[in-house]
Amino acid sequence: NAGVTQTPKFRVLKTGQSMTLLCAQDMNHEYMYWYRQDPGMGLRLIHYSVGEGTTAKGEVPDGYNVSRLKKQNFLLGLESAAPSQTSVYFCASKTWSSGNTIYFGEGSWLTVV
Amino acid sequence: SQKIEQNSEALNIQEGKTATLTCNYTNYSPAYLQWYRQDPGRGPVFLLLIRENEKEKRKERLKVTFDTTLKQSLFHITASQPADSATYLCALDPTNTGNQFYFGTGTSLTVIP
Repeated sequence: NAGVTQTPKFRVLKTGQSMTLLCAQDMNHEYMYWYRQDPGMGLRLIHYSVGEGTTAKGEVPDGYNVSRLKKQNFLLGLESAAPSQTSVYFCASKTWSSGNTIYFGEGSWLTVV
Repeated sequence: SQKIEQNSEALNIQEGKTATLTCNYTNYSPAYLQWYRQDPGRGPVFLLLIRENEKEKRKERLKVTFDTTLKQSLFHITASQPADSATYLCALDPTNTGNQFYFGTGTSLTVIP
């Protein structure tokens, strides 16, 4: 049981490049989330999904897109990366039966130069 | 603006003492509040959930209180140990729908042997 897996773990991008972060969970969870974590700012919700085929905006959605084509996967896309998107990105998931406990992945470190 | 604030300074305490961390929020009326632990380079891990009708919740050496009038939750670690050194995050569901979760900025705790 791997839980929540994020790929890649580290990536360096040039300004203007695009990339996709992949999150996969093997717990059959309905809900999935993408957060970014910056020093002094804490975890901020980018986008979330309450089920396969659905997505919604969180606190800081600008510059990001997401897709949830399969229940177990939640993709975060950066169409044109900017230095302000340098951050640590965390994917998370939960299910109703977990009592709102959120399970996090190990993080993806992204640097935009 | 809507905010979740935690102790702004890092907290250093002597081993064996009780650590008390604060989570204050404005403009929310959460039905419950959660606490997570995050170690360097890792994703947050769930610790405790307290509901609005619960004054206090305990788990081993951990104790959480929730005062909806003060809009504040306190997180206590009794008989602290160096292994308790980590960043602690509080989180709430701004819409009480179970769909999304906002996190505080976190408090870095160091327990000195």
